Amino acid sequence: NAGVTQTPKFQVLKTGQSMTLQCAQDMNHNSMYWYRQDPGMGLRLIYYSASEGTTDKGEVPNGYNVSRLNKREFSLRLESAAPSQTSVYFCASRAGNSPLHFGNGTRLTVT
Amino acid sequence: EDKVVQSPLSLVVHEGDTVTLNCSYEVTNFRSLLWYKQEKKAPTFLFMLTSSGIEKKSGRLSSILDKKELFSILNITATQTGDSAIYLCAGDTTSGTYKYIFGTGTRLKVLA
Repeated sequence: NAGVTQTPKFQVLKTGQSMTLQCAQDMNHNSMYWYRQDPGMGLRLIYYSASEGTTDKGEVPNGYNVSRLNKREFSLRLESAAPSQTSVYFCASRAGNSPLHFGNGTRLTVT
Repeated sequence: EDKVVQSPLSLVVHEGDTVTLNCSYEVTNFRSLLWYKQEKKAPTFLFMLTSSGIEKKSGRLSSILDKKELFSILNITATQTGDSAIYLCAGDTTSGTYKYIFGTGTRLKVLA
């Protein structure tokens, strides 16, 4: 009964390095989301996937790419990390109009 | 532009106090208003409100929606230190984009 699982939990990158944040859900949800959370800014949507095979930009997509690998998995890639991407990243999923279920987050620091 | 505004931004109370958290919204094609509690990690779901005037209750927490005045409140009675958290409010839409609009949250600290 894992729900939404994110890896890694913590990551430190140097400016210009790349990495992929992984997310998997075992609830058979169609829609998956990537958010970032910064102090005083709330949760801001980076990208989402309404269903397998589709992805769309959210509010703050610049500097990120995503892949909906299959129904379970939705990854977020930073091609060239910047200090402005230091944040806590949350993956979430939902079925239809049900509430979002969140993973435990990845704390990313870019130096 | 769609927006959700929460107040106050932060609040410090003592155990046993009652608190009221506010959420106002301007959301095109509004479907529902949701409340989440965030402690150290993932936000966890509290309430989903779709109809005006119907209170939802879970233990010491309750919430109500006013679709005419476009706001919701979250009440916590007899607060405990375990209620210390960030409380997030979000608007959901029928626009087909499946996106929530989140407020910035209210940080509640309950002192023993």
